[in-house]
Amino acid sequence: DAGVIQSPRHEVTEMGQEVTLRCKPISGHNSLFWYRQTMMRGLELLIYFNNNVPIDDSGMPEDRFSAKMPNASFSTLKIQPSEPRDSAVYFCASSLVSANEQFFGPGTRLTVL
Amino acid sequence: QKEVEQNSGPLSVPEGAIASLNCTYSDRGSQSFFWYRQYSGKSPELIMFIYSNGDKEDGRFTAQLNKASQYVSLLIRDSQPSDSATYLCAVNHSGGYQKVTFGIGTKLQVIP
Repeated sequence: DAGVIQSPRHEVTEMGQEVTLRCKPISGHNSLFWYRQTMMRGLELLIYFNNNVPIDDSGMPEDRFSAKMPNASFSTLKIQPSEPRDSAVYFCASSLVSANEQFFGPGTRLTVL
Repeated sequence: QKEVEQNSGPLSVPEGAIASLNCTYSDRGSQSFFWYRQYSGKSPELIMFIYSNGDKEDGRFTAQLNKASQYVSLLIRDSQPSDSATYLCAVNHSGGYQKVTFGIGTKLQVIP
């Protein structure tokens, strides 16, 4: 199994630009989570989906952030416009709805200049 | 007050010793408690979960839960240099079992 796949692994962009992060969950998993990790705030849940439906987006910091899951094998997290304070590592994780363990992808390190 | 509190460390222990990592949480309705390990530059991976008061053992790892005190701990026996990592405590929300809050993590250093 390839595990959770995220792309790109690194992204450097300038303030005001649109950023799109991508995630492919483990085949067969029906829950998908987006997290953000910083030194100051740790690992924070942004949004999660069950069966492609957003269940809780209360962690999305601002309207600049949006997430979609058009099908069971693909999700995107978009930031528009990006700001320097968005710089962080963004993780995608997947699991079975009935299971406890979340499997994390390798993360995308985002730097906004 | 943060929902899940951990001492960020670093916690330094000599090789072969017992490492004790602690976590407190604020949501009294939480039912599921997790310990994730994260190596530097890598993603978190689950090492233990516990639901019931008491101890749960898995190899060199023991998770301890005290719901009355809202306290979770992880003991690592016979610590090895390969155990050096950041250990994240995670607690589910009473309002949604899949929604998990992570602590800031405790950095463990095992000295050879």
